[in-house]
Amino acid sequence: AQSVAQPEDQVNVAEGNPLTVKCTYSVSGNPYLFWYVQYPNRGLQFLLKYITGDNLVKGSYGFEAEFNKSQTSFHLKKPSALVSDSALYFCAVREPYRGANNLFFGTGTRLTVIP
Amino acid sequence: EAGVAQSPRYKIIEKRQSVAFWCNPISGHATLYWYQQILGQGPKLLIQFQNNGVVDDSQLPKDRFSAERLKGVDSTLKIQPAKLEDSAVYLCASSFVAGGPDEQFFGPGTRLTVL
Repeated sequence: AQSVAQPEDQVNVAEGNPLTVKCTYSVSGNPYLFWYVQYPNRGLQFLLKYITGDNLVKGSYGFEAEFNKSQTSFHLKKPSALVSDSALYFCAVREPYRGANNLFFGTGTRLTVIP
Repeated sequence: EAGVAQSPRYKIIEKRQSVAFWCNPISGHATLYWYQQILGQGPKLLIQFQNNGVVDDSQLPKDRFSAERLKGVDSTLKIQPAKLEDSAVYLCASSFVAGGPDEQFFGPGTRLTVL
């Protein structure tokens, strides 16, 4: 069975500092991994995905994520945080051989960037 | 391109009443999803359509929830009768195909409050 864990409910970081939002997963085989961001009163917005290939994936708004197969992790990172990055971040996983395309989401991490 | 449209944005009803939500996916997207997002949790898939057929409805509480996508474009999700625990944000998403690595695009959601 697929599962995703986001161990931190809340991450606080000062503006200009690097940020990391953690995600670990459990899935049979090689996963598809996604990060989404949710701003207040808005739907989820796609940031980036890992399908195969280079373990470092670059996405929107300067975000990147590193796939680590041995640690079953897919942490989201950004070198320099902006106040506008404050939002709720969701990691999601999907098993690629399933006929269905649904995603299993983590419980989310609220990122607060402090000016 | 236009995004995923949902209406209404907010709905307040009393328990045992009925409610319906509407979704229009991105043009050309064959796959449509309905998710339930309870406060403090990640989205949970309720049902997935491929064109006008159901691919996965294993998490849909079929005694009270129903959904249709009759012409393979827009979709309606209905709850009848509603319970207090149905209070949540209902998200609609779409993707180009199912089974591939495509990301899903989400609408703004409908926030349902059941009193």
